[in-house]
Amino acid sequence: GIQVEQSPPDLILQEGANSTLRCNFSDSVNNLQWFHQNPWGQLINLFYIPSGTKQNGRLSATTVATERYSLLYISSSQTTDSGVYFCAVLHASGGSYIPTFGRGTSLIVHP
Amino acid sequence: EADIYQTPRYLVIGTGKKITLECSQTMGHDKMYWYQQDPGMELHLIHYSYGVNSTEKGDLSSESTVSRIRTEHFPLTLESARPSHTSQYLCASSELGRQAFFGQGTRLTVV
Repeated sequence: GIQVEQSPPDLILQEGANSTLRCNFSDSVNNLQWFHQNPWGQLINLFYIPSGTKQNGRLSATTVATERYSLLYISSSQTTDSGVYFCAVLHASGGSYIPTFGRGTSLIVHP
Repeated sequence: EADIYQTPRYLVIGTGKKITLECSQTMGHDKMYWYQQDPGMELHLIHYSYGVNSTEKGDLSSESTVSRIRTEHFPLTLESARPSHTSQYLCASSELGRQAFFGQGTRLTVV
Protein backbone atom coordinates (compact mmCIF):
# COMPACT_ATOMS: atom_id res chain seq x y z
CA GLY A 1 0.00 0.00 0.00
CA ILE A 2 0.90 3.66 -0.14
CA GLN A 3 3.38 4.99 2.42
CA VAL A 4 2.89 8.37 4.09
CA GLU A 5 5.76 9.90 6.01
CA GLN A 6 5.56 13.05 8.10
CA SER A 7 8.40 15.13 9.44
CA PRO A 8 9.50 16.17 11.91
CA PRO A 9 7.90 13.75 14.38
CA ASP A 10 8.16 16.28 17.19
CA LEU A 11 8.43 20.05 17.21
CA ILE A 12 8.73 22.50 20.09
CA LEU A 13 8.28 26.21 19.44
CA GLN A 14 8.15 29.44 21.31
CA GLU A 15 4.96 31.41 20.82
CA GLY A 16 5.25 33.64 17.78
CA ALA A 17 7.61 31.39 15.85
CA ASN A 18 6.93 30.02 12.36
CA SER A 19 7.15 26.36 11.34
CA THR A 20 6.86 24.05 8.35
CA LEU A 21 5.53 20.50 8.54
CA ARG A 22 6.12 18.07 5.70
CA CYS A 23 4.19 15.10 4.32
CA ASN A 24 5.76 12.78 1.73
CA PHE A 25 3.83 10.03 -0.01
CA SER A 26 5.06 7.11 -2.07
CA ASP A 27 2.53 7.03 -4.92
CA SER A 28 0.17 9.29 -6.82
CA VAL A 29 -2.83 10.38 -4.79
CA ASN A 30 -6.26 11.63 -5.62
CA ASN A 31 -6.60 13.87 -2.61
CA LEU A 32 -4.77 15.02 0.48
CA GLN A 33 -5.99 16.42 3.78
CA TRP A 34 -4.32 18.04 6.78
CA PHE A 35 -5.85 17.59 10.23
CA HIS A 36 -5.17 18.99 13.67
CA GLN A 37 -5.91 16.66 16.56
CA ASN A 38 -6.76 18.67 19.64
CA PRO A 39 -6.02 17.60 23.23
CA TRP A 40 -9.49 16.03 23.45
CA GLY A 41 -8.68 13.73 20.55
CA GLN A 42 -10.91 15.26 17.91
CA LEU A 43 -9.58 15.54 14.36
CA ILE A 44 -10.22 19.00 12.95
CA ASN A 45 -10.11 19.47 9.16
CA LEU A 46 -7.53 22.08 8.24
CA PHE A 47 -7.12 21.72 4.50
CA TYR A 48 -8.40 19.59 1.67
CA ILE A 49 -5.65 20.15 -0.87
CA PRO A 50 -4.97 17.68 -3.69
CA SER A 51 -2.75 20.26 -5.39
CA GLY A 52 -1.81 23.91 -5.25
CA THR A 53 -1.79 26.29 -2.31
CA LYS A 54 -4.48 27.31 0.16
CA GLN A 55 -4.46 29.72 3.06
CA ASN A 56 -6.63 30.01 6.13
CA GLY A 57 -5.56 32.72 8.53
CA ARG A 58 -2.13 31.92 9.96
CA LEU A 59 -2.10 28.50 8.31
CA SER A 60 -1.36 27.67 4.73
CA ALA A 61 -0.70 24.47 2.81
CA THR A 62 0.94 23.57 -0.46
CA THR A 63 0.73 20.24 -2.27
CA VAL A 64 3.03 19.38 -5.17
CA ALA A 65 1.38 16.20 -6.38
CA THR A 66 3.92 15.55 -9.15
CA GLU A 67 6.73 15.48 -6.57
CA ARG A 68 4.61 13.64 -3.99
CA TYR A 69 4.76 15.98 -1.04
CA SER A 70 2.73 18.53 0.86
CA LEU A 71 3.74 21.25 3.29
CA LEU A 72 1.80 22.85 6.12
CA TYR A 73 2.97 26.29 7.25
CA ILE A 74 2.12 27.72 10.63
CA SER A 75 2.99 31.37 11.12
CA SER A 76 3.07 33.33 14.38
CA SER A 77 2.33 30.18 16.36
CA GLN A 78 0.07 30.29 19.41
CA THR A 79 -0.28 27.93 22.35
CA THR A 80 -3.63 26.81 20.95
CA ASP A 81 -1.78 25.42 17.91
CA SER A 82 -0.36 22.68 20.13
CA GLY A 83 -1.44 19.16 19.28
CA VAL A 84 -0.76 16.56 16.65
CA TYR A 85 -0.93 17.37 12.94
CA PHE A 86 -1.82 14.54 10.58
CA CYS A 87 -1.59 14.28 6.84
CA ALA A 88 -3.96 11.83 5.13
CA VAL A 89 -3.95 10.83 1.48
CA LEU A 90 -6.63 9.24 -0.65
CA HIS A 91 -5.13 6.64 -2.91
CA ALA A 92 -7.21 4.77 -5.46
CA SER A 93 -6.16 1.28 -4.43
CA GLY A 94 -8.53 -1.01 -6.30
CA GLY A 95 -11.04 1.82 -6.40
CA SER A 96 -11.36 1.94 -2.62
CA TYR A 97 -10.09 5.50 -1.95
CA ILE A 98 -9.30 4.81 1.69
CA PRO A 99 -7.76 7.70 3.69
CA THR A 100 -4.27 6.62 4.75
CA PHE A 101 -2.60 8.56 7.54
CA GLY A 102 0.96 9.45 8.38
CA ARG A 103 2.26 9.08 11.93
CA GLY A 104 1.75 12.76 12.66
CA THR A 105 3.84 15.67 13.90
CA SER A 106 3.46 16.47 17.58
CA LEU A 107 3.68 20.25 18.11
CA ILE A 108 4.13 21.97 21.44
CA VAL A 109 3.99 25.77 21.54
CA HIS A 110 5.29 27.33 24.74
CA PRO A 111 4.07 30.76 25.92
CA GLU B 1 -20.14 22.28 8.55
CA ALA B 2 -19.98 18.50 8.63
CA ASP B 3 -22.30 16.63 10.95
CA ILE B 4 -21.00 13.32 12.19
CA TYR B 5 -21.68 12.19 15.70
CA GLN B 6 -20.21 9.53 17.94
CA THR B 7 -21.59 8.30 21.24
CA PRO B 8 -20.58 7.83 23.91
CA ARG B 9 -17.60 10.21 24.14
CA TYR B 10 -16.13 8.28 27.06
CA LEU B 11 -16.82 4.74 28.22
CA VAL B 12 -15.37 2.69 31.06
CA ILE B 13 -16.54 -0.89 31.04
CA GLY B 14 -15.65 -4.20 32.65
CA THR B 15 -13.95 -7.11 30.92
CA GLY B 16 -16.33 -9.45 29.10
CA LYS B 17 -19.07 -6.91 28.51
CA LYS B 18 -20.65 -6.38 25.10
CA ILE B 19 -20.49 -2.81 23.85
CA THR B 20 -21.65 -0.89 20.81
CA LEU B 21 -20.09 2.39 19.75
CA GLU B 22 -22.49 4.54 17.76
CA CYS B 23 -21.65 6.66 14.71
CA SER B 24 -24.15 8.66 12.69
CA GLN B 25 -23.78 11.20 9.89
CA THR B 26 -26.34 13.51 8.33
CA MET B 27 -24.44 14.30 5.13
CA GLY B 28 -25.69 11.38 3.06
CA HIS B 29 -22.15 10.09 2.54
CA ASP B 30 -21.82 6.61 1.09
CA LYS B 31 -18.41 5.82 2.57
CA MET B 32 -17.85 5.42 6.30
CA TYR B 33 -14.80 4.33 8.27
CA TRP B 34 -13.70 3.28 11.74
CA TYR B 35 -10.16 3.99 12.91
CA GLN B 36 -8.46 2.92 16.12
CA GLN B 37 -5.86 5.18 17.72
CA ASP B 38 -3.76 4.78 20.85
CA PRO B 39 -2.87 8.10 22.56
CA GLY B 40 -0.39 10.11 20.52
CA MET B 41 -0.05 7.38 17.93
CA GLU B 42 -1.07 6.91 14.31
CA LEU B 43 -4.57 6.02 13.14
CA HIS B 44 -5.25 2.47 12.02
CA LEU B 45 -8.19 1.59 9.77
CA ILE B 46 -10.22 -1.28 11.27
CA HIS B 47 -13.45 -1.25 9.21
CA TYR B 48 -15.00 0.58 6.29
CA SER B 49 -18.17 0.57 4.24
CA TYR B 50 -18.99 1.59 0.68
CA GLY B 51 -22.70 1.86 1.40
CA VAL B 52 -25.72 0.03 2.77
CA ASN B 53 -25.07 -3.69 3.37
CA SER B 54 -21.38 -3.26 2.49
CA THR B 55 -18.67 -3.75 5.13
CA GLU B 56 -14.97 -4.54 4.82
CA LYS B 57 -12.14 -5.16 7.26
CA GLY B 58 -9.31 -2.66 7.34
CA ASP B 59 -5.56 -2.99 7.65
CA LEU B 60 -5.52 -3.57 11.40
CA SER B 61 -6.97 -6.82 12.62
CA SER B 62 -9.78 -6.16 15.06
CA GLU B 63 -12.11 -8.33 17.08
CA SER B 64 -14.89 -5.83 16.54
CA THR B 65 -17.71 -6.09 14.01
CA VAL B 66 -19.70 -3.46 12.14
CA SER B 67 -23.00 -3.19 10.32
CA ARG B 68 -24.45 -0.78 7.76
CA ILE B 69 -28.20 -1.18 7.58
CA ARG B 70 -28.84 2.51 6.97
CA THR B 71 -26.72 5.02 5.07
CA GLU B 72 -26.39 7.35 8.04
CA HIS B 73 -25.56 4.77 10.71
CA PHE B 74 -22.35 2.69 11.14
CA PRO B 75 -22.15 1.13 14.61
CA LEU B 76 -19.15 -0.83 15.89
CA THR B 77 -19.66 -3.73 18.32
CA LEU B 78 -17.31 -5.58 20.63
CA GLU B 79 -18.92 -8.85 21.75
CA SER B 80 -16.60 -9.32 24.73
CA ALA B 81 -14.47 -6.35 25.74
CA ARG B 82 -10.89 -6.92 26.94
CA PRO B 83 -8.27 -4.53 28.37
CA SER B 84 -6.40 -4.76 25.05
CA HIS B 85 -9.38 -2.99 23.44
CA THR B 86 -8.65 0.14 25.46
CA SER B 87 -8.12 2.86 22.87
CA GLN B 88 -9.76 5.76 21.07
CA TYR B 89 -12.15 4.88 18.25
CA LEU B 90 -12.73 7.45 15.52
CA CYS B 91 -15.52 7.32 12.95
CA ALA B 92 -15.41 9.19 9.63
CA SER B 93 -17.45 9.58 6.47
CA SER B 94 -16.88 10.91 2.96
CA GLU B 95 -18.13 10.96 -0.58
CA LEU B 96 -16.07 8.71 -2.85
CA GLY B 97 -12.68 10.31 -3.35
CA ARG B 98 -13.59 13.46 -1.44
CA GLN B 99 -12.53 14.80 1.93
CA ALA B 100 -13.26 12.85 5.07
CA PHE B 101 -15.00 14.27 8.13
CA PHE B 102 -14.46 12.85 11.59
CA GLY B 103 -16.62 12.53 14.66
CA GLN B 104 -15.38 13.54 18.10
CA GLY B 105 -14.24 10.02 18.93
CA THR B 106 -15.00 7.54 21.70
CA ARG B 107 -12.38 6.92 24.39
CA LEU B 108 -12.87 3.35 25.57
CA THR B 109 -11.33 1.96 28.75
CA VAL B 110 -11.79 -1.70 29.60
CA VAL B 111 -10.98 -2.58 33.19
